[in-house]
Amino acid sequence: EAQVTQNPRYLITVTGKKLTVTCSQNMNHEYMSWYRQDPGLGLRQIYYSMNVEVTDKGDVPEGYKVSRKEKRNFPLILESPSPNQTSLYFCASSPGTSGRTASYNEQFFGPGTRLTVL
Amino acid sequence: SQQGEEDPQALSIQEGENATMNCSYKTSINNLQWYRQNSGRGLVHLILIRSNEREKHSGRLRVTLDTSKKSSSLLITASRAADTASYFCATDAAGTYKYIFGTGTRLKVLA
Repeated sequence: EAQVTQNPRYLITVTGKKLTVTCSQNMNHEYMSWYRQDPGLGLRQIYYSMNVEVTDKGDVPEGYKVSRKEKRNFPLILESPSPNQTSLYFCASSPGTSGRTASYNEQFFGPGTRLTVL
Repeated sequence: SQQGEEDPQALSIQEGENATMNCSYKTSINNLQWYRQNSGRGLVHLILIRSNEREKHSGRLRVTLDTSKKSSSLLITASRAADTASYFCATDAAGTYKYIFGTGTRLKVLA
């Protein structure tokens, strides 16, 4: 089954304790992205990746890191989480951009990771 | 910065009625997409309209795009209780690879 998986689905942690949220897709998609969703703010893009070893900042990258060493995986790293990073996080992927901008292809979303930082 | 703003923020209608939600954006775009989200779950793609298109249909969905007004609307006809969800528009700023989502419209369809 074609899908985007995220782990963990729920996480409660404390300020400053490094964590990683994994994201994996099995559709051979080139484009992958991380979003956070907060009430009243919709989805905001954190980082995106055009392909292996190619990543760039979205609108809210502060406090996050990403890497894209393999096409299927795009982990999100919080080196020193703070309470303002408490949010619902989504990973998404879409087929290759082929030189076109992101919005030419639909995105497939993972189920979300609910993170609470105390 | 948020590019898409949805209007209304919330909408409550009876089953069988039509639901219309609007999206406005700030910069030139290449394409505009609409997504649906059921109660904290992942988003699901509904429809994509290109900047050179004015109207598009998919089943009970009708999307319009007015690039001169930088706005789009999503019409759901003959709504059902299962249409209860949040709806988001998404686009890019022309020439970028970023996605920008609107703040969403929460639709409630009463049986």
